[in-house]
Amino acid sequence: SQQGEEDPQALSIQEGENATMNCSYKTSINNLQWYRQNSGRGLVHLILIRSNEREKHSGRLRVTLDTSKKSSSLLITASRAADTASYFCATDAGRFGGAQKLVFGQGTRLTINP
Amino acid sequence: GAGVSQSPRYKVAKRGQDVALRCDPISGHVSLFWYQQALGQGPEFLTYFQNEAQLDKSGLPSDRFFAERPEGSVSTLKIQRTQQEDSAVYLCASSLLRQGSRNEQFFGPGTRLTVL
Repeated sequence: SQQGEEDPQALSIQEGENATMNCSYKTSINNLQWYRQNSGRGLVHLILIRSNEREKHSGRLRVTLDTSKKSSSLLITASRAADTASYFCATDAGRFGGAQKLVFGQGTRLTINP
Repeated sequence: GAGVSQSPRYKVAKRGQDVALRCDPISGHVSLFWYQQALGQGPEFLTYFQNEAQLDKSGLPSDRFFAERPEGSVSTLKIQRTQQEDSAVYLCASSLLRQGSRNEQFFGPGTRLTVL
């Protein structure tokens, strides 16, 4: 079973526009991570935000976390064709010192149109 | 440096056959994870190793699934008597294990298993 729900399931925008994806989860977490997956490839780690953080930036990426609402958002600014991929949020809800197993959402399929 | 590698990249098996999937983690990474990703879904946790110890196998769907990491580096996921529902991409990930810190996982490209 998957903890996260991602919204929207699919998003298609023009190159240069901003893309926003949302993720909701069910249990308390240690951290939340975002990954990108290109078709037929493995997952690439994008950013990690800890439960005591509210916002984090990395290049064109901005992630927010609202633990009271159990939700997170990923914003990609000035999108490029190369950003076309599936994006997954993953929560680390394991007990501290235990396995850091990630629980993934179903993903948002992002298409950037040139 | 080299990332996580997996082999084979693609595997076609007839129903009832046994398969073995290999994962070479990043050198020095203590933690190793296996995930199963069905088509159009996010990955789902299968099992976790810390060095050679299998500390969590709660995600293995049945006793037909078996994983090992005998020397604390390379890991093998074995599926016995494969069924059509086993068709999926099997992802391996590794990470450092730092005290007091929970870190990103580095994923391999996956093995796409198709059971006919």
